[in-house]
Amino acid sequence: EAGVTQSPTHLIKTRGQQATLRCSPISGHTSVYWYQQALGLGLQFLLWYDEGEERNRGNFPPRFSGRQFPNYSSELNVNALELEDSALYLCASSNRDLNTGELFFGEGSRLTVL
Amino acid sequence: GENVEQHPSTLSVQEGDSAVIKCTYSDSASNYFPWYKQELGKRPQLIIDIRSNVGEKKDQRIAVTLNKTAKHFSLHITETQPEDSAVYFCAASEGVNAGKSTFGDGTTLTVKP
Repeated sequence: EAGVTQSPTHLIKTRGQQATLRCSPISGHTSVYWYQQALGLGLQFLLWYDEGEERNRGNFPPRFSGRQFPNYSSELNVNALELEDSALYLCASSNRDLNTGELFFGEGSRLTVL
Repeated sequence: GENVEQHPSTLSVQEGDSAVIKCTYSDSASNYFPWYKQELGKRPQLIIDIRSNVGEKKDQRIAVTLNKTAKHFSLHITETQPEDSAVYFCAASEGVNAGKSTFGDGTTLTVKP
């Protein structure tokens, strides 16, 4: 079974640009979560999508947005990039029907803002 | 909202010794507490979890204890091995709804051979 896949692996942008990161969940998982992991720091919750709807949002500015497509894949958009947006962005998926709570993470997309 | 504090931020032990990582949470409604292990350059993976109706759970060399009254839970690793070296994250959430999980800042465990 394929795990959670993310693209691109690495992305380099300059301040003020926009970045788009993509995530494909494990087949059968309807929930997708986005986390930011800045260097040396923990996992900061960004967004949670389930069945195409945004269910919860972390304490991030509105320039962080996303969406979930009918096939449950998801996109994270970061507008007006700032230097401090440089981080590893992790996507995770879960199967709410199983009621286990386990998050399955992707390998992440490393965003560097110059 | 929920606040999770994790200690220590770094931990170095000798191979064969035990390691303990502690987390406290603030929201008494939290009832699901997973632990994730992230090896260098790899994705976080769930290693053990506990629900609030259980005080302790073991899986081979790892165990987790929960004190609901004090709002803290701990990860215990016995007979540590070099491959246990990683960053460990605790989390707390209300229900198994992972969308509401709050993570601690992580503990970097180094096991010296």
